[in-house]
Amino acid sequence: RKEVEQDPGPFNVPEGATVAFNCTYSNSASQSFFWYRQDCRKEPKLLMSVYSSGNEDGRFTAQLNRASQYISLLIRDSKLSDSATYLCAVNANNNDMRFGAGTRLTVKP
Amino acid sequence: ETGVTQTPRHLVMGMTNKKSLKCEQHLGHNAMYWYKQSAKKPLELMFVYNFKEQTENNSVPSRFSPECPNSSHLFLHLHTLQPEDSALYLCASSSLSGGAGETQYFGPGTRLLVL
Repeated sequence: RKEVEQDPGPFNVPEGATVAFNCTYSNSASQSFFWYRQDCRKEPKLLMSVYSSGNEDGRFTAQLNRASQYISLLIRDSKLSDSATYLCAVNANNNDMRFGAGTRLTVKP
Repeated sequence: ETGVTQTPRHLVMGMTNKKSLKCEQHLGHNAMYWYKQSAKKPLELMFVYNFKEQTENNSVPSRFSPECPNSSHLFLHLHTLQPEDSALYLCASSSLSGGAGETQYFGPGTRLLVL
């Protein structure tokens, strides 16, 4: 079993749609969780951290379910500019960040 | 954004060449990382430096040799690479709080092609 698993997609959605990504992790000792966004041929950039209580940043909502060991990202009212690959990252300690392979999203007009 | 810079951005080298990748962070962080990103694969952690000391190797082949002269600079020395080493090499940095993991910030990467 991979340490961090994501549905690779691609997800092709129309503008304005709501789309959700899930990510599962195998290490129950994981302590911190993140979603990164990576544009084509660019570096990953932090989208948001994921807190136990869930958190929201504009159109983006992240949730953590420790019991089932998964995190989710919900994007509402999708924009063309949301097209990218979304990476989930899980950190078991200060150094050991593990990444999923990413979920590719394409938002179409 | 210039928080983490990497040079060169692109590199083509033969299997007998020796080259070095450079990373510099301007964020006042005390941990730096090298990752390898191959097509359709997760980011693979290669090396971790905390306060200039290497703390994790992750069984990387010896043809990759890291160097961290201070907390702001990180190098990856390359020699006798193989074509399967062609990938995007990303540097990242973070602060260490002693508690939960801190966010890692990435440089733009060096896209390496080994012929």
